[in-house]
Amino acid sequence: DTAVSQTPKYLVTQMGNDKSIKCEQNLGHDTMYWYKQDSKKFLKIMFSYNNKELIINETVPNRFSPKSPDKAHLNLHINSLELGDSAVYFCASSPLGLEQFFGPGTRLTVL
Amino acid sequence: QQQVKQSPQSLIVQKGGISIINCAYENTAFDYFPWYQQFPGKGPALLIAIRPDVSEKKEGRFTISFNKSAKQFSLHIMDSQPGDSATYFCAASKGNTPLVFGKGTRLSVIA
Repeated sequence: DTAVSQTPKYLVTQMGNDKSIKCEQNLGHDTMYWYKQDSKKFLKIMFSYNNKELIINETVPNRFSPKSPDKAHLNLHINSLELGDSAVYFCASSPLGLEQFFGPGTRLTVL
Repeated sequence: QQQVKQSPQSLIVQKGGISIINCAYENTAFDYFPWYQQFPGKGPALLIAIRPDVSEKKEGRFTISFNKSAKQFSLHIMDSQPGDSATYFCAASKGNTPLVFGKGTRLSVIA
């Protein structure tokens, strides 16, 4: 069974479009995260949710909005996509303060 | 401000050799220091982690050395194998805050 899953794995879209990436974890963890990995492999936290409540919102454009319908899901909505949004987006989950389990990533390409 | 500095950016090691990757951190409040391994097309996966109350932790061929006074920690991979070829990330966090990652080291182990 996949612990942290993301869909889709690849996403190719035009500038200006709105898209969503879904994340689900079946580990029963309280905390979920979204990370962005750029072309140079740098991993940067975007959002963190604990029990459906946003606890960290790093300085990302407000075109990015996380939505957590329940403790097992954390989706990422992106409005008005720009070229610079092209990256790999990783969802992760963890028990509070402990090891983070990462999903397989979603490669977003904005044309 | 980069809170965790990782070096080198890339590393080539002969099979059977020792791979050493170093990280330095700035925030003395950090209390959790993991190393993650990432293969191409996959999400990062926890390799080994240490808390600041010990100076060394070993798991199989992987060892973390931790120097609290110097605010440095390093990963040693003994008897490096071609299958160890991957990108390695150090990270740090305080309490239940998200991980702050280093910029990664691309390791290539050649036969």
